Amino acid sequence: DTEVTQTPKHLVMGMTNKKSLKCEQHMGHRAMYWYKQKAKKPPELMFVYSYEKLSINESVPSRFSPECPNSSLLNLHLHALQPEDSALYLCASSQQGSSAEAFFGQGTRLTVV
Amino acid sequence: QKEVEQNSGPLSVPEGAIASLNCTYSDRVSQSFFWYRQYSGKSPELIMSIYSNGDKEDGRFTAQLNKASQYVSLLIRDSQPSDSATYLCAVDTGGGNKLTFGTGTQLKVEL
Repeated sequence: DTEVTQTPKHLVMGMTNKKSLKCEQHMGHRAMYWYKQKAKKPPELMFVYSYEKLSINESVPSRFSPECPNSSLLNLHLHALQPEDSALYLCASSQQGSSAEAFFGQGTRLTVV
Repeated sequence: QKEVEQNSGPLSVPEGAIASLNCTYSDRVSQSFFWYRQYSGKSPELIMSIYSNGDKEDGRFTAQLNKASQYVSLLIRDSQPSDSATYLCAVDTGGGNKLTFGTGTQLKVEL
């Protein structure tokens, strides 16, 4: 059982839809992350919330918008996505600091039609 | 030059053999190194972390780190068919809270 929970597990959305991915961690961690993973590729970091600050991978388009209501929750709001945004979206959490081990949730399989 | 490099494989080993997975990284200041296992369609699972030069053993897994050579490896002893997966090497390249992954090595353990 994972202590990082993501919902939904699967999502199909149209290009004009607005949806949100949710992530909750029960590990008392202070850093949370969103990664995107395409088939047969490694995870790519999208956003980091650490020390209550957001760090953004500058290559991530503005149609992805993170929100961190508290240190246990991390949402990813999706708007006007493109078919190439279809991927596995992974949430992870860790203690803060360079030696911190990151633990992943089960992921949300997103398909944009 | 990619920040973290792995041979994509597939690496095929017979059941019971030792599987050796390798990873090189480019950032000399990196201090934290991780191995994740990922089954097809599933999320990455942390199996080993290593921070100091030398070996670290956990059950059938041994991680090896050589910072001078910028090299980290994972040995899996007594390989089992259930070890068949993609193994991702991850390096903290941001001085904390920024993991960069290699492309992964696909391991196949054959009966």
